[in-house]
Amino acid sequence: DIVMTQSPDSLAVSLGERATINCKSSRTVLYTSNSYNYLAWYQQKPGQPPNLLIYWASTRESGVPDRFSGSGSGTDFTLTISSLQAEDVAVYYCQQYYTTPWTFGQGTKVEIK
Amino acid sequence: EVQLVESGGGRVQPGGSLRLSCSVSGFIFSSYWMTWVRQAPGKGLEWVANIKQGGTEKYYADSVRGRFTISRDDAKNSLYLQMNSLRAEDTAIYYCAREYCSGDGCYRFFDHWGQGTLVTVSS
Repeated sequence: DIVMTQSPDSLAVSLGERATINCKSSRTVLYTSNSYNYLAWYQQKPGQPPNLLIYWASTRESGVPDRFSGSGSGTDFTLTISSLQAEDVAVYYCQQYYTTPWTFGQGTKVEIK
Repeated sequence: EVQLVESGGGRVQPGGSLRLSCSVSGFIFSSYWMTWVRQAPGKGLEWVANIKQGGTEKYYADSVRGRFTISRDDAKNSLYLQMNSLRAEDTAIYYCAREYCSGDGCYRFFDHWGQGTLVTVSS
């Protein structure tokens, strides 16, 4: 199985400041035949199901604010919230869809400082 | 509007069975792979099983293979998860989710989720 490891487990950021979440996979999720990274990011607010933010490591889902961005390739990925808003308080998960079983990171909790 | 609504959760004793349902609307159900993801209380997300259009392919996490069965009824726009030989560690919120499909294919990430149904396995 591909193990997804996120860091940090939690972080507190002031409103308007940048939040950065890292995700590392135990094996590459870069599919060389199409040069796509099979990596997605989700946001989960308390009491709600996850919500897709980013796929192909850097493509924003429709309707997702542009303060959310994804980067990285191969085994190392980053989700950045450029200017944290109060509504961004949530747990964020990365997920690889390169090979079964499809696996998630353990989650990173983002709070307001 | 895409909607997925799970039902069938509840409390069951270890070794018991439960059948979850997911009723969908707002999209052509028969055109999509569908999946079940679970989340134990206060824990992270775990993919459980998925099923291809038409039900011709099914895949399971090792933790549930041989105990859980995923199925679908395209005429009823419904997805199911039959859970047998339930264990305490199966206690979780179970979400059904739609897998992403575009013009160039379908991929195993999830663009729409239901609100989930809670399964509690306890004596």
